[in-house]
This record gives sequence, C-alpha cells and structure tokens, in this order.
Amino acid sequence: GQNIDQPTEMTATEGAIVQINCTYQTSGFNGLFWYQQHAGEAPTFLSYNVLDGLEEKGRFSSFLSRSKGYSYLLLKELQMKDSASYLCAVRVRPMLTFGGGTRLMVKP
Amino acid sequence: GAGVSQSPSNKVTEKGKDVELRCDPISGHTALYWYRQRLGQGLEFLIYFQGNSAPDKSGLPSDRFSAERTGESVSTLTIQRTQQEDSAVYLCADPLWGQTMGIDGYTFGSGTRLTVV
Repeated sequence: GQNIDQPTEMTATEGAIVQINCTYQTSGFNGLFWYQQHAGEAPTFLSYNVLDGLEEKGRFSSFLSRSKGYSYLLLKELQMKDSASYLCAVRVRPMLTFGGGTRLMVKP
Repeated sequence: GAGVSQSPSNKVTEKGKDVELRCDPISGHTALYWYRQRLGQGLEFLIYFQGNSAPDKSGLPSDRFSAERTGESVSTLTIQRTQQEDSAVYLCADPLWGQTMGIDGYTFGSGTRLTVV
C-alpha cells in the first residue's frame, strides 16, 4: 500500500521561512512532486525530485532523501499569496499518490 | 485544446440520481487520470487511461462509478445512484507534455464540484 504523511496545518509570518515536511512509504518510487492548491482551485505544479538532494526554484526549494522516505518543501520570504494548501505526491508508475495536504496560513 | 477542460464546474444532484462528468484533455495526449478530492482532504486516484490500453480502474470506490474514454478524446466519469459521500471535487489530470513519466507532473482541470443533497 501507499502511505504519505504531511502536517495538516501550519502557520507562518509574512517574510519568514517555512518548511513543510512529507514522509512516505510506497511500493515503488518514480519521483516526488509538490503542488500548490489555492482554495477552490486546481493544484498547480511546484517542484519535482527524483534524486537525493535539494532542488531550488526561486523562493521555493524541495529536498528529497530516498533512503529516509522523506521530503520537504522550503518557502522563503513568505508572502500573503503563499497561503494555500501544499500537496506532496509520490509517483508510483505511472500514477501520482497524494498526501492529505498541508494548509499553510501566512499572517502579516 | 491548450488546457484541460471540465464540465460542469458545479453540479448539485439529488441522492439516488445519476450524474455524468466530462473531461476534455489536452489535444493529442494519450494519458488521462481522474481524481477525487473531498473537502479538506488530499486527492484520491480513481481511474487512469492510456491510449487504447485497458484502463486502470483500481481506484474506483464502488461499482456505481464508471468511466469511459475513446482513444485520445473526451472522457466521461459516471456516478450512478449518487450518495451523499460522493460529494467532492472531481479532477481530471493530464501529464504535461504528454509524458506520464515526465518531470512536470500533471496539469489539472478546474474540476467539477459535485454536491449530493
């Protein structure tokens, strides 16, 4: 079976840095994705990791450790518009299996 | 088309009625996925189509759910004898650039919000 865990909710302050963790236990692994989902909207792709290490893309970075079944999404210089749900998803050929999402609230 | 289109955007139906949800994928892409998202929860895989191969129906929650797709065209998800627990947003997804194993993940349609009353 597939099990993907992430915190349900997080709160952070505008301008700060926040790290959203994701742990997974899956039967197979072909990459890990992070998606952003604003309320009432469809998820949009943020990042992809298939090898261990850090991938940086502007204010967002994503890290993967395959041996630990662990990933995190790092958001820097938080802005109010970053308030959204962040979904961790593992690709087990050829489907994506999603965690429950982390709702991030950014406060002034 | 340039993106994934879904219709209707909202559907309210009475318990016990049948509903049909539609997804227009990106033109020329052979893969298509349906997911369900209950309020405040993550996405649940429902069904996967790849070209003319037999679809992977392993995520369909009951025999009241079915989906069809012919070739690379429109897909319809049908829910028969709807129940209140079917209330959710139903999302259609298409691999970016048509690559199921690509690095870009999916592009999602805007979803159909189904409410069973």
